[in-house]
Amino acid sequence: RKEVEQDPGPFNVPEGATVAFNCTYSNSASQSFFWYRQDCRKEPKLLMSVYSSGNEDGRFTAQLNRASQYISLLIRDSKLSDSATYLCVVNIYNFNKFYFGSGTKLNVKP
Amino acid sequence: NAGVTQTPKFQVLKTGQSMTLQCAQDMNHNSMYWYRQDPGMGLRLIYYSASEGTTDKGEVPNGYNVSRLNKREFSLRLESAAPSQTSVYFCASREHSALAQPQHFGDGTRLSIL
Repeated sequence: RKEVEQDPGPFNVPEGATVAFNCTYSNSASQSFFWYRQDCRKEPKLLMSVYSSGNEDGRFTAQLNRASQYISLLIRDSKLSDSATYLCVVNIYNFNKFYFGSGTKLNVKP
Repeated sequence: NAGVTQTPKFQVLKTGQSMTLQCAQDMNHNSMYWYRQDPGMGLRLIYYSASEGTTDKGEVPNGYNVSRLNKREFSLRLESAAPSQTSVYFCASREHSALAQPQHFGDGTRLSIL
């Protein structure tokens, strides 16, 4: 079983739409959680960390549900520039090991 | 501020050739990582180095070796390249001082093995 699982998508949404991605993780000892954004043929870039109480950064909101072992990312008022693959990343008890989901592809269309 | 720098950006090898991928960071981070990314798959950890002088295996270490030359540099070596090692390789670094410190990535090395 994979440590981190994501729906690969693609999610095709119109500009201005709200879209949500979920990511599940299998190890209850997971400590830290992140969402990264990866553009085609580019390196992953940190979008936001995910905190236990949930956190927001502009149009982006991240939530953590430890009981059900999933994290979510909500994007409001989608822009064309939001088109990318979104990677869920989990850091397990050994602080140096990070596990990546295979990514969810988002296409925002005019 | 360059962040994480990887060289080369692209490389084509023949089966059996050897090669070293270079990575350097200028953020004074303690921890450094090598990942590979294959189509339809997430990044998979090859090796990491928690601090200068230490290295540890990740999920997919077979066929690779690493050297943490100093705090700035972490190299990945393929001793005898195989077609299965065709991939995009990313180096990353992070500050190891606390929880919730994210990784910062270089822009990748695209490696093809014929």
